[in-house]
Amino acid sequence: EAGVVQSPRYKIIEKKQPVAFWCNPISGHNTLYWYLQNLGQGPELLIRYENEEAVDDSQLPKDRFSAERLKGVDSTLKIQPAELGDSAVYLCASSLQSGGAGELFFGEGSRLTVL
Amino acid sequence: QKEVEQNSGPLSVPEGAIASLNCTYSDRVSQSFFWYRQYSGKSPELIMSIYSNGDKEDGRFTAQLNKASQYVSLLIRDSQPSDSATYLCAVNDYKLSFGAGTTVTVRA
Repeated sequence: EAGVVQSPRYKIIEKKQPVAFWCNPISGHNTLYWYLQNLGQGPELLIRYENEEAVDDSQLPKDRFSAERLKGVDSTLKIQPAELGDSAVYLCASSLQSGGAGELFFGEGSRLTVL
Repeated sequence: QKEVEQNSGPLSVPEGAIASLNCTYSDRVSQSFFWYRQYSGKSPELIMSIYSNGDKEDGRFTAQLNKASQYVSLLIRDSQPSDSATYLCAVNDYKLSFGAGTTVTVRA
């Protein structure tokens, strides 16, 4: 069974440029998460989807970040414009259970460097 | 106050010893608790989950939960060099919050 797939694995951009990350969750997993992880810190939730509905986006900086999950499967996280402080690893995870109750399966992450 | 606090590391233990990791959380309504292991440059993977007070053992790992004290711990018995990683405590307060992690180094 394929795991959570993310792309790109690495992205280097200049500040003020846009960037997008893509995530394909495990088949059948209705819950999808986007986390941000800075070096030496734990993952911080950006947004959680149940199917195509964003049920928790309270931590998403909506002035520059946006996300979508069309048809309740794949998801895209976009940053526009990127700032130096956005350099981090962006992790996508999926879960069979809703509400954070079950095991999260993480993708390999997308490492963003903003110059 | 952070929602999930872990004991600061790094934690260095000799091979074969017990590594003890601690975690406290602030939200009393939390019902599910998890320990994830993260190797350097890799993504987190679940190693233990615990939902009720007491101990839960899985191989060399034992998770302990005390909801009254809002405390969850992880013991790694007979530590091996392959256990060297960062261990993340996660608490389901309706959005699964993670602690900052404790880095464990098992020295041969």
